[in-house]
Parts: sequence; structure tokens; C-alpha cells
Amino acid sequence: KNEVEQSPQNLTAQEGEFITINCSYSVGISALHWLQQHPGGGIVSLFMLSSGKKKHGRLIATINIQEKHSSLHITASHPRDSAVYICAAMSMNYGGSQGNLIFGKGTKLSVKP
Amino acid sequence: EPEVTQTPSHQVTQMGQEVILRCVPISNHLYFYWYRQILGQKVEFLVSFYNNEISEKSEIFDDQFSVERPDGSNFTLKIRSTKLEDSAMYFCASSVDSLYNEQFFGPGTRLTVL
Repeated sequence: KNEVEQSPQNLTAQEGEFITINCSYSVGISALHWLQQHPGGGIVSLFMLSSGKKKHGRLIATINIQEKHSSLHITASHPRDSAVYICAAMSMNYGGSQGNLIFGKGTKLSVKP
Repeated sequence: EPEVTQTPSHQVTQMGQEVILRCVPISNHLYFYWYRQILGQKVEFLVSFYNNEISEKSEIFDDQFSVERPDGSNFTLKIRSTKLEDSAMYFCASSVDSLYNEQFFGPGTRLTVL
């Protein structure tokens, strides 16, 4: 059973395109992370959000708690945005207070020049 | 900007050997985590640690694994007798609080068990 589902699994875009990556989750959460993983393997936190919308530069993350859905948008995409984008839900099910993350499988984004 | 650091970046070991992976969390953070990612698979939670004890652990975190905060800065993951299937990237993370604070990840340690 996949508690955190992402789509699409792979995404190829042309430089400048608007990109959307979707995340659906089935667990009760306190918050949701969007993470970026580069080919070298390192993980960088992009956003943590529990409601509404957050914006950082060309990145926008939204979450709809009622629908258990979040989206990550990239405006004016650039080849340097190429990476794996991971949605991770901060579950409340592990005893209610630990904040452990349940990860999606990731979306591999490739932006072509 | 403060960051989580991990050493070594790559560890190669023989099956059955003990390994210790080291992490230095961000200094004012109170919650610490280990995650692992087997090549080509998603990241999985191993264990969380707070106030010098394990808060939660997953099914993966069996008796072969242990964690320790031996001093005020380091947070270690020990695998007592490594198996081939322990080969993975191991990530340490830390946060100020548990539920409502962002987790910051280290660069990872790639463990290869031969």
C-alpha cells in the first residue's frame, strides 16, 4: 500500500515551460515536505507546508488538506531544475508526535535547453 | 547557514563487519532522524531520536541497528553485522521540533556492503 503517491514518475520539459508535480496521500498528516534530490544523491528541503500556498523564487507549493493533495509548480523552468522531486508526508500515525516522514517515489524531472 | 553534516561520504565494508555512520545535526535542533534509500527505491524512515532515546523506529530498524548521541554534537547509526541488503544511501536529518518544523537533511553516506 502506497501512502504517498506522486505523478508523473518522469517528466521531460523544454526550458521555460511551466511544470506541475502532484502528490496525493492517504495518511493523516501534520505537514508535507517537498524535497529535491540531485543526481549525486543529496536531499534538499524546498518547502514544508501544512495549509495554503508557499512561494520561493520560481517554485510554488500548494496543499489542499481536505482533498489530501499537494502540488509543486516550477515557473520558467531551467535545465538546472533537473532533479528528482520528492513529496514526503509528515505522518501523525506513529504515536502522534514523532513527525516521521513517509516518502513518495519521486518525480524525475529533466528540463531540456 | 547551519547544515547537517555526515561522514564518511562513502563507506565500503565486507559483509558481517560493523559500521558506524556519523552525523552532526544542526546545533539547536532537538529531533534527529535516520533514513535510508536503496538504489532506485524511495527513501524510507529508520528511526527518530529525541532526548537521548529512540522515539520511534520502523520495521527495518531491527536488532542489528542502533543509534547513539555519544556527545553533544554527534549522532551515530551503527550496523552491527552488515548484510548485502544494507547497501544503500543513509541520510541523517534534524529538526527543531517534531511535528511542525522542517527537517534538514545531511548529504548522505553511501554504504556499500561486499
